[in-house]
Amino acid sequence: DVKVTQSSRYLVKRTGEKVFLECVQDMDHENMFWYRQDPGLGLRLIYFSYDVKMKEKGDIPEGYSVSREKKERFSLILESASTNQTSMYLCASSSTGIGDGTEAFFGQGTRLTVV
Amino acid sequence: SQQGEEDPQALSIQEGENATMNCSYKTSINNLQWYRQNSGRGLVHLILIRSNEREKHSGRLRVTLDTSKKSSSLLITASRAADTASYFCATASYNQGGKLIFGQGTELSVKP
Repeated sequence: DVKVTQSSRYLVKRTGEKVFLECVQDMDHENMFWYRQDPGLGLRLIYFSYDVKMKEKGDIPEGYSVSREKKERFSLILESASTNQTSMYLCASSSTGIGDGTEAFFGQGTRLTVV
Repeated sequence: SQQGEEDPQALSIQEGENATMNCSYKTSINNLQWYRQNSGRGLVHLILIRSNEREKHSGRLRVTLDTSKKSSSLLITASRAADTASYFCATASYNQGGKLIFGQGTELSVKP
């Protein structure tokens, strides 16, 4: 079974802290994604990576950065956490060619609260 | 920008009834996928339909795609209480790069 593992299920951080959300996949997938999910807004893409050290901005990259030093690991970084970044964060991975018809596999989500 | 718009936002039915959820999108696509999310968990892939397909079945799921109307529907037949979840459509296309763009989801409640 494909496994996408997010390092924490629940996280509480203070405003201004630098926050790292880690995601690891075990299927040698090229593509990895970070989404945030908010009520009424669905899933919005923050960043995605199609290869090691490669990244592209999604729809809402402001206030976030990412790191992909190894193929299996994709980290989301909140440079200076703010209360409006309180959300559910979802990591996903897929093999190449999602336009060709490959599915994405999701982690269990990290519910981040910034106080 | 959101690609998919889902309708209805919430749906409540009795066990045994059919549930239909609709998804509309804005740009041309290569495929459309449906995912399910149980409360507070990650998403699970249900079914994928390619742009050259019109209908697809998987167990109690039936998906249709109308590219001329840029819309898709997901039908769950003979629903069960365990089908209670949120359902999302997601679109993929070459002109979106490797992105998978999600709609806002439909919250389905199946009452026993």
